[in-house]
Amino acid sequence: GEDVEQSLFLSVREGDSSVINCTYTDSSSTYLYWYKQEPGAGLQLLTYIFSNMDMKQDQRLTVLLNKKDKHLSLRIADTQTGDSAIYFCAPRGSGNTPLVFGKGTRLSVIA
Amino acid sequence: DTGVSQNPRHKITKRGQNVTFRCDPISEHNRLYWYRQTLGQGPEFLTYFQNEAQLEKSRLLSDRFSAERPKGSFSTLEIQRTEQGDSAMYLCASSLAAGAQETQYFGPGTRLLVL
Repeated sequence: GEDVEQSLFLSVREGDSSVINCTYTDSSSTYLYWYKQEPGAGLQLLTYIFSNMDMKQDQRLTVLLNKKDKHLSLRIADTQTGDSAIYFCAPRGSGNTPLVFGKGTRLSVIA
Repeated sequence: DTGVSQNPRHKITKRGQNVTFRCDPISEHNRLYWYRQTLGQGPEFLTYFQNEAQLEKSRLLSDRFSAERPKGSFSTLEIQRTEQGDSAMYLCASSLAAGAQETQYFGPGTRLLVL
């Protein structure tokens, strides 16, 4: 089955860019999602990318996909203290397969 | 539309008791998912429904767990004879399946503590 790996922690200064990386194993993944989770809360959808795209930009968010290396990244420009949270990437395979989550990356933004 | 809602938000119970959680999906979403999230981990898939049919169950879903979606709208997840290992956040998500693209929207979760 699918396996998803992310770095557990990332710390950046307010105003800098954050880059959160994710690797996955299922090459048939069709859509790849990024979710944000604040303490004690559910998951908030941030953005997603279809597997035939290399890049997607959505305001401060840029998603890069390297399908050959099965590597996904999320760049947050001008990181703010409100961006402090856990970020999960979640690939979805072909067919009716559920999302698979890694352990998430905890982003800490230092003022 | 107010998004996915879950009740209760918190539940404390004693080992051996039964608990039931409810999820109300986004209106007209035909798929509903249940996930479990323990501390320091990402959500793990438990089961999902398309309309009222339960289409897939994870091996994590022991026989003490049962989920229903009787009219294809809200869903309930029941845990019988709770154990301390059941302590977790239980997340519900809903989606409108349309071809390959399907985006899941999550509720706030129900946090269960089994004493």
